[in-house]
Amino acid sequence: KAGVTQTPRYLIKTRGQQVTLSCSPISGHRSVSWYQQTPGQGLQFLFEYFSETQRNKGNFPGRFSGRQFSNSRSEMNVSTLELGDSALYLCASSRSQGALNNEQFFGPGTRLTVL
Amino acid sequence: DAKTTQPNSMESNEEEPVHLPCNHSTISGTDYIHWYRQLPSQGPEYVIHGLTSNVNNRMASLAIAEDRKSSTLILHRATLRDAAVYYCILINAGGTSYGKLTFGQGTILTVHP
Repeated sequence: KAGVTQTPRYLIKTRGQQVTLSCSPISGHRSVSWYQQTPGQGLQFLFEYFSETQRNKGNFPGRFSGRQFSNSRSEMNVSTLELGDSALYLCASSRSQGALNNEQFFGPGTRLTVL
Repeated sequence: DAKTTQPNSMESNEEEPVHLPCNHSTISGTDYIHWYRQLPSQGPEYVIHGLTSNVNNRMASLAIAEDRKSSTLILHRATLRDAAVYYCILINAGGTSYGKLTFGQGTILTVHP
């Protein structure tokens, strides 16, 4: 079965712009989590969506937001882009909520560059 | 949340076993121990997880100390494809870590041919 897909794979934006990233989970998976990966901070959790509701949130400013649709696809939005938002954004899906006793499957990521 | 400590790097030869240690001395009784790995230019990949008993799957084995203050990920025969960053992560049912993976720095595993 198809894995987690993320679009676009690469994106270049300028400061002040906004961006929307998309994630399609594995079929049958209802939970989608988003992570940011940078060389300095490593992998950091952004938020998790399950059944169209945000269930958990990391320590990121309100410029970072997301949503989940009824088909479990998720989008992540970053407004008023800053240079420090340049990162690899990873999406992970799982069958049920949370990562406690539950394997998360990661997509290949979207590489965002902010100029 | 309980923290994990892993060596920054380890090296192994191909086809030899690899034991990747993880210390978690402040682990609570409801913390699950998860291992993920990230190959170069890819997203992280689930390896294995457990609570109290040792676990085996097709990729690896997880050995958990009796007091649960440490665990070891065992790759029985390392291949070049196993070269990756390995993350040991604790997830608690009732704590703030529920529902998310908190990645540390991990262990960079180098496998020599």
